[in-house]
Amino acid sequence: DTEVTQTPKHLVMGMTNKKSLKCEQHMGHRAMYWYKQKAKKPPELMFVYSYEKLSINESVPSRFSPECPNSSLLNLHLHALQPEDSALYLCASSRPRAGYYGYTFGSGTRLTVV
Amino acid sequence: GNSVTQMEGPVTLSEEAFLTINCTYTATGYPSLFWYVQYPGEGLQLLLKATKADDKGSNKGFEATYRKETTSFHLEKGSVQVSDSAVYFCALKSGGSNYKLTFGKGTLLTVNP
Repeated sequence: DTEVTQTPKHLVMGMTNKKSLKCEQHMGHRAMYWYKQKAKKPPELMFVYSYEKLSINESVPSRFSPECPNSSLLNLHLHALQPEDSALYLCASSRPRAGYYGYTFGSGTRLTVV
Repeated sequence: GNSVTQMEGPVTLSEEAFLTINCTYTATGYPSLFWYVQYPGEGLQLLLKATKADDKGSNKGFEATYRKETTSFHLEKGSVQVSDSAVYFCALKSGGSNYKLTFGKGTLLTVNP
């Protein structure tokens, strides 16, 4: 299995809703990432988990809350989002030697906040 | 800090034309370099990579050579196809335990039949 699987593929939520994005990989990768990508822009790093511990938080607003329940799963909990948070949310994973082996990305969740 | 500069797009070519997308970088130490491709409505796929100077990464007819003297990693393909239409991102990861991947702004390639 060489994939990162993200669900759902599309999500529409109101500004008062609570929802979660899910990401799963079975490649034995011990680093997992959340990226946000706006249209016609490169992905922007949000969070990094290394060995199930939060390693990097790129000053992301608290309305985004990551969780890594185990080495295969990564969640992103969403609450009280704003319309400007509408974007493609990408999950990625890597081995510890990410520079040597590279990063594997999922297909993303396209989020629309109304 | 680290940075990646890609040629501005969009790039429009006819099928079977030669492709070059320029990429230069600024980084401390000895970074690893990547090209990722994003097809419409999809996530990013690793196209090729190089981990040290003079390495050549290749995949699906695409090539790029890690040139430390010019801090460049230009993407080339000898004969593009309509199916190559996508956004191409050059990226780097610097050495050490930092997991950060630094992206260029991306180059939109459109190949016409």
